[in-house]
Amino acid sequence: EPEVTQTPSHQVTQMGQEVILRCVPISNHLYFYWYRQILGQKVEFLVSFYNNEISEKSEIFDDQFSVERPDGSNFTLKIRSTKLEDSAMYFCASRGDRGFNSPLHFGNGTRLTVT
Amino acid sequence: AQSVTQLDSQVPVFEEAPVELRCNYSSSVSVYLFWYVQYPNQGLQLLLKYLSGSTLVESINGFEAEFNKSQTSFHLRKPSVHISDTAEYFCAVSPKAAGNKLTFGGGTRVLVKP
Repeated sequence: EPEVTQTPSHQVTQMGQEVILRCVPISNHLYFYWYRQILGQKVEFLVSFYNNEISEKSEIFDDQFSVERPDGSNFTLKIRSTKLEDSAMYFCASRGDRGFNSPLHFGNGTRLTVT
Repeated sequence: AQSVTQLDSQVPVFEEAPVELRCNYSSSVSVYLFWYVQYPNQGLQLLLKYLSGSTLVESINGFEAEFNKSQTSFHLRKPSVHISDTAEYFCAVSPKAAGNKLTFGGGTRVLVKP
């Protein structure tokens, strides 16, 4: 079965550094998402992306965050200047179409640790 | 806005015993409801969903959930658990009118003991 692939599985970075989290969605999917889960807290929506633009974003997704689909396969989340509170598990997800008959497929996540 | 509450953060259960994971939600608009499962070191997988129709929905591995509109609940049950059901289970909702964004509960960690 096709999978959403995220790399790396664990990223350690220093505060203030830029970090890029990478995702390869399922190849024929059109809608892409980032969620995150801070340790001990709920999984939170960050952003959704369709047709090469952001379709919705949460309050968390401030100017420090950006997303990009640089080619036909990758979907990236960039954090420009990381803060300690950005430490979390980041999940990428994709969906084939807008309706919920097409389920959301999640990757295994990237654990980001900011020191 | 939506919110989801999973009342139990951890549920220990013996193998072959029944389990119920509670989920309550609040929303000012109509929502779709979901249960996701996360096995150790894996991503979130859709377990089952309620979109419309029969309020009782089932998964292929023996779980079922019942949508109760009056109680705003979507509890998950399994009559007999296996060791392999050890995982974290997340309840989630999404507004029907804008189906992009899932709001998750805090998760319930199920530990099945032999």
